[in-house]
Amino acid sequence: GNSVTQMEGPVTLSEEAFLTINCTYTATGYPSLFWYVQYPGEGLQLLLKATKADDKGSNKGFEATYRKETTSFHLEKGSVQVSDSAVYFCALSDSLPGAGSYQLTFGKGTKLSVIP
Amino acid sequence: KAGVTQTPRYLIKTRGQQVTLSCSPISGHRSVSWYQQTPGQGLQFLFEYFSETQRNKGNFPGRFSGRQFSNSRSEMNVSTLELGDSALYLCASSLQPSGGEYNEQFFGPGTRLTVL
Repeated sequence: GNSVTQMEGPVTLSEEAFLTINCTYTATGYPSLFWYVQYPGEGLQLLLKATKADDKGSNKGFEATYRKETTSFHLEKGSVQVSDSAVYFCALSDSLPGAGSYQLTFGKGTKLSVIP
Repeated sequence: KAGVTQTPRYLIKTRGQQVTLSCSPISGHRSVSWYQQTPGQGLQFLFEYFSETQRNKGNFPGRFSGRQFSNSRSEMNVSTLELGDSALYLCASSLQPSGGEYNEQFFGPGTRLTVL
């Protein structure tokens, strides 16, 4: 079946440091890829997405490029802030053929802590 | 527009009991999905409902069930609770019609279930 593997955390960075969180996937077909963020005590928020190969998703300074050849979707940010401290999840959309139904398959999550 | 709401936010039960969790989707959204989040297994898909019909189901035992009402509100039920059912249960809604490309899922804040 489909699966998502992302780097284990926790990751601790100083403010203004460069962030990379690696994500690779295994999938049949051509799924859409996502990064979700979860702040303490809250649900998941969509951070960015890419729906086909070579697409770059971007939002709030975060970027990720859909690399079909390496089956990767690494998250990057040039300068992190304390407010970026959260858990980040890489995910792909699986579809149930013929049913019009989609489900998300998630990685285990990477906890990011940014210190002043 | 109000977001996805889940009630209750916190719940404590004992082994063997049953529990019902509720989810109200964003107005106009007819698809509701449920996910279980645990530290060990991460985020796992439970099931998805659309127009009162279960369209898709994850790999969970029959103790986990759900339903959707004509107003798109959804409930999930867990019977004969086990310690391992302690988790954050997240609900997500989307416009996802039958067929077509993936529509973004919007997540609620979750219900934290503790089984003692």
